[in-house]
Amino acid sequence: SQTIHQWPATLVQPVGSPLSLECTVEGTSNPNLYWYRQAAGRGLQLLFYSVGIGQISSEVPQNLSASRPQDRQFILSSKKLLLSESGFYLCAWSGQNNSPLHFGNGTRLTVT
Amino acid sequence: RKEVEQDPGPFNVPEGATVAFNCTYSNSASQSFFWYRQDCRKEPKLLMSVYSSGNEDGRFTAQLNRASQYISLLIRDSKLSDSATYLCVVNSGSGSARQLTFGSGTQLTVLP
Repeated sequence: SQTIHQWPATLVQPVGSPLSLECTVEGTSNPNLYWYRQAAGRGLQLLFYSVGIGQISSEVPQNLSASRPQDRQFILSSKKLLLSESGFYLCAWSGQNNSPLHFGNGTRLTVT
Repeated sequence: RKEVEQDPGPFNVPEGATVAFNCTYSNSASQSFFWYRQDCRKEPKLLMSVYSSGNEDGRFTAQLNRASQYISLLIRDSKLSDSATYLCVVNSGSGSARQLTFGSGTQLTVLP
């Protein structure tokens, strides 16, 4: 069966510090991969998605970047965190066509 | 008009009650539909896909009305453990994350 791992579960970082969140998927090949952010009490905002190695699409202009160095690995990064980037970061994967998303456990990021 | 709209609630119902949520979507070309459940401070989890002919999974029934462009979720015999936020998701593309749109969620509290 397919599983998705995301880490760390919680993170407290000062403003201006770098960020690296990692997500890996097991049990499937060539998944679509996604990074979402959910601010407190708000809905899900799609940040990035990837349909293959090295293929990244950004949904919103921002201070963040994403990379997919391997088929089942997706990384979210920032060189200098902003206060506004606190939130719940969720990695997800899906198969092709009309298949649903499956989320990782999420990373709760607090920028201080 | 938002692409996907849900009544945010909150819905407060007694145990054993039947409760229904609706979700409207604006893109008539939408191809697939899902209901997710999100517990407080947790990741969304797939509850069920929504099929054209309607589908049932235990106490949960999902229906699609393409003519009126809405999907619904019916929960019978509510349990305390059903308390959560319910998100509808509409995919108006074919495998592309750009067309996967989440509703803002409907909050349900089942009271003893």
